Amino acid sequence: KQEVTQIPAALSVPEGENLVLNCSFTDSAIYNLQWFRQDPGKGLTSLLLIQSSQREQTSGRLNASLDKSSGRSTLYIAASQPGDSATYLCAVSAGYSTLTFGKGTMLLVSP
Amino acid sequence: EAQVTQNPRYLITVTGKKLTVTCSQNMNHEYMSWYRQDPGLGLRQIYYSMNVEVTDKGDVPEGYKVSRKEKRNFPLILESPSPNQTSLYFCASSWTGDEKLFFGSGTQLSVL
Repeated sequence: KQEVTQIPAALSVPEGENLVLNCSFTDSAIYNLQWFRQDPGKGLTSLLLIQSSQREQTSGRLNASLDKSSGRSTLYIAASQPGDSATYLCAVSAGYSTLTFGKGTMLLVSP
Repeated sequence: EAQVTQNPRYLITVTGKKLTVTCSQNMNHEYMSWYRQDPGLGLRQIYYSMNVEVTDKGDVPEGYKVSRKEKRNFPLILESPSPNQTSLYFCASSWTGDEKLFFGSGTQLSVL
């Protein structure tokens, strides 16, 4: 059964720092991987989706990479801002709508 | 605006009293799904639907029912709620289940 692990569970950084969030998965036979953002008391928002054939995706200050063979993905946030404070979750799909979520990294960016 | 709408936002009920949480999407998505989120356990899938009249169990379906009579609606039914179903519930949709997933704002359910 697919297992998704996110490290660290929590991260606190000062504003302006570049940071990396990590996601690892046990079964490399994935269809795609998504990174989500969850604000307190709110739903999840999809940030980036990487297909299994892709190595990375970029959106603004966010860059997500995927190394399927090693079972790893990273989310890079450049020049962090207080508004980036949220919980970030990754989820892997094996196709056929089977999505497995990690437990998330809680990020706090202080001014 | 493209969105997934869940109601109610908060719900407090008592053990055994049947309840329904509604979910509606306006994006003509074929795939809809229900998740529950619990501290330390993360998001777990309850049921999903690939299209009208097509539903299937996720990881934790016990104690829940769903129906998909229309493409836009996917209600979650708890026929006899128990305290262990106290949780934060999310509905989500996408085109086929393997693309970008859109989430509702969540329903915080407390079963006393």
